[in-house]
Parts: sequence; C-alpha cells; structure tokens
Amino acid sequence: NAGVTQTPKFQVLKTGQSMTLQCAQDMNHNSMYWYRQDPGMGLRLIYYSASEGTTDKGEVPNGYNVSRLNKREFSLRLESAAPSQTSVYFCASRGAGIGADYGYTFGSGTRLTVV
Amino acid sequence: GDSVTQMEGPVTLSEEAFLTINCTYTATGYPSLFWYVQYPGEGLQLLLKATKADDKGSNKGFEATYRKETTSFHLEKGSVQVSDSAVYFCALLPSNTGKLIFGQGTTLQVKP
Repeated sequence: NAGVTQTPKFQVLKTGQSMTLQCAQDMNHNSMYWYRQDPGMGLRLIYYSASEGTTDKGEVPNGYNVSRLNKREFSLRLESAAPSQTSVYFCASRGAGIGADYGYTFGSGTRLTVV
Repeated sequence: GDSVTQMEGPVTLSEEAFLTINCTYTATGYPSLFWYVQYPGEGLQLLLKATKADDKGSNKGFEATYRKETTSFHLEKGSVQVSDSAVYFCALLPSNTGKLIFGQGTTLQVKP
C-alpha cells in the first residue's frame, strides 16, 4: 500500500532557483492538497484540487503554482524560491462518497531549505 | 472563520502518566473533528476521528469525545508510553468545504 508518495524527501535550493515537488496517490481519491508546516503554526493550506482538472488557492498560495496532471498526480512548483519558503511540505489526498473515510492521507513530506 | 486552538506545548510526562491535550474549535454548521499524530521525521497519521456531536473516537488507547456544547475535542490517554512521544494535531473539517483546518500542534515528550 503506497498511499501518497512525495518526491524528493529533501532539497536545498538557492534563492531564485525553481523546482517542482511531486505527489502521487494510488487510492483513487478525488481531492488532493498541498500544505506547508512551520514551527508553531501547524499546517497551512497552499493549494488544493477538488477533482481532476480543477485547482484552487488555499491560505498561503503566493509564490507557488500547482498542476493536477491527472487523478493520481498533483505537483507544486516554486518558480523563484525565497528563504521564506523554507519549510516542510506535505501532500495529502482525500476520498469522497458514501462510506468514504473523510480524513486525509498524508505523504511523508519534503523538507525544503532555501539559502 | 473556522479555527482550531490547541494547548501550547511542549508537554512532558513520565511513562504511565495520564495525558490530556486540550483542543477547542470555532465552526459553523457540523464539522468533523480529527486528531493526527506526527512521529519524528514522518508525515501525519490519522489517530482518531468523530463526525458528529457526542461521538467518541478511539485508537491505540487514545480517546476524544466530540462535545458540541463546549466546542471541544480533547485528546486523552490513561497511561502514556515513551513510544507516544510525537506531535499531535487537532483538526477540523467544515461541513461545507473539503479543506482540513489544523491547530498549531502540541509536542508530547514521554520520559522513562
């Protein structure tokens, strides 16, 4: 049971560099999410996708873009990384419908440092 | 807007002590409530959940009761173990959106 897979697990970027964080789920879930985790602030929603082909901004979208490539994959892109984007990033997915578990399933995270 | 407030940590306990981590929420409608646990270096795992008032969620000796009258969902365990050391997040899923809202997390350290 792979669940939600994130790559890479660790990354160091220089200010101004770009990168894409990858996320894939194998649970046939409709909804996918990107969160960032910072000390003392819990998890904050960056972007989400309620279904294939749709994306919406969350609480802290500035500096990020997303792509819902297909039902399985939801990527997060930093076009020009800034030190304020140093964080741990989590991807999550959620099923829906009768009998579904309405909790989220999380990936193991990407620890990003921007220097 | 909807929000979740957890007690500040860190919480340090001796093994076999009783644990309570307070969580209160603000929400319209009838949200679902969750506790997630994050072990060092790992992602978040669902610990327990409750989807309506007076429901009790339980798992691995942990319990939490959905109290609508006090807007609370406190996490309890009768006897903690060193292996319970982790960060615990209370979360709310509003009834009208699919977006989970987290508290700030409470770090629990259990000493032998």
